This record gives sequence, C-alpha cells and structure tokens, in this order.
Amino acid sequence: DIQMTQSPSSLSASVGDRVTITCRASQTIDTYLNWYQQKPGKAPHLLIYAVSSFHGGVQARFSGSGSGTNFSLTITNLQPEDFATYYCQQSYRTPLTFGGGTRVEI
Amino acid sequence: QVLLVQSGGEVKKPGASVKVSCKASDYTFTTYGVNWVRQAPGQGLEWMGWISTKDGNTNYAQKFQGRVTMTTDTSTSTAYMDLSSLRSDDTAIYYCARGRSPFDWFDFWGQGTPVTVSS
Repeated sequence: DIQMTQSPSSLSASVGDRVTITCRASQTIDTYLNWYQQKPGKAPHLLIYAVSSFHGGVQARFSGSGSGTNFSLTITNLQPEDFATYYCQQSYRTPLTFGGGTRVEI
Repeated sequence: QVLLVQSGGEVKKPGASVKVSCKASDYTFTTYGVNWVRQAPGQGLEWMGWISTKDGNTNYAQKFQGRVTMTTDTSTSTAYMDLSSLRSDDTAIYYCARGRSPFDWFDFWGQGTPVTVSS
C-alpha cells in the first residue's frame, strides 16, 4: 500500500497567517494527489484535486503544489472558517490512502 | 446541487451485519461510481472500496475483502454497503463519496452514518 505522511499533525495559527501543510507519498503518485477539509462533526469535502485544481467554490487563498512524492497545501490569509483538519489522499493506486491529517487550530 | 443522503445511525452486536444506504440526487447516477470511506472515533479516513454504478464492478480494499459487499440500485439511484462479521473496531462513521473511477477524487460526500458495534 502507498503510505501518505502528513506534517505537521497539528499547528496553531492566527487569522491572516500563511500556513503550509506537507504530504509525502511512500512512492511516486504522479499528480494523483487530492486535499480534503473536514470540520468537527461534518463530512470531509474536496478542496483541491490533481495537486492544484480547485473544486467548486474553493477560495483562491488555498493552493496546492508538488509532484512525484512531495506535495503541499498552502493557505494564505487564514480565515476563521479555515480552522479544520486537512487530509491529503492519493488516488494513484488502490487501496486509496489518506494522510493522517493536519489539524489547524487557532 | 449534487446530494448524497445516507441512512441513519445503527447499533449492532459483534458478529452481526450492517447495511448502509446512500441515495444520490441531482445528477445522472450512472455517470459516477461510489466510494465508501470510514472514520473511527478520533481517527483519520480509511477507504473501503469503490463500486461502478454502470456495471456493478467493484474494487475493494484487501482489508475488507470477504466482509464487505457494495451494491447499487439504479432504479432508485441508491448505493449500499454491507459489512458483515462486525467487531468493536468497526465502530466508525461510514461515508459514501462520489468518484468517477477508483482512481479519481471524491467530489461530493454523504453526511455520514454512525455505526456502533457493542455487546
């Protein structure tokens, strides 16, 4: 199975900050890397797919980058509604696997 | 707006089976497959498998092979996930999520179905 390692597992930040979450795959996954946001008690929802493409009405302050095995999600100008847990996911090979999550706290 | 509405929470005894439903609306059901993902209390996300709504082909995570059965009913645009031989560590929230193929992102999710396994 492809292991997805996220770091950090949690971080504290303030409104207006810029934060970066990294995700490393145990083998190359090309550009089959997606990011999800989950708020407490809610289902996850898709933020970014195929490394850097926005889903739906995702705000432009979110951006994704990377290739091969190393990827990152950056949130600029952090807003109150961005405090949540973020998961990366590889869809290159089954079983599809997720990173352990990064909790972004105030 | 695409909507996936799941069935309500369940409480089951160890060894029993549970069947969770996921009813889709506002899109053509057979143009997207359905994934099932679970999340144990306080834990991360775990993919269980994917089913094609066109032909019923499935792709199960090996961990669940032999215990999970995914089906669809195109007449009602509903997907089902049946998990048997339940254990306490199957206690989790179970989500359905739409995806064109097993190698695709999950663009819409159901609200989740809590399943508790307890004697």
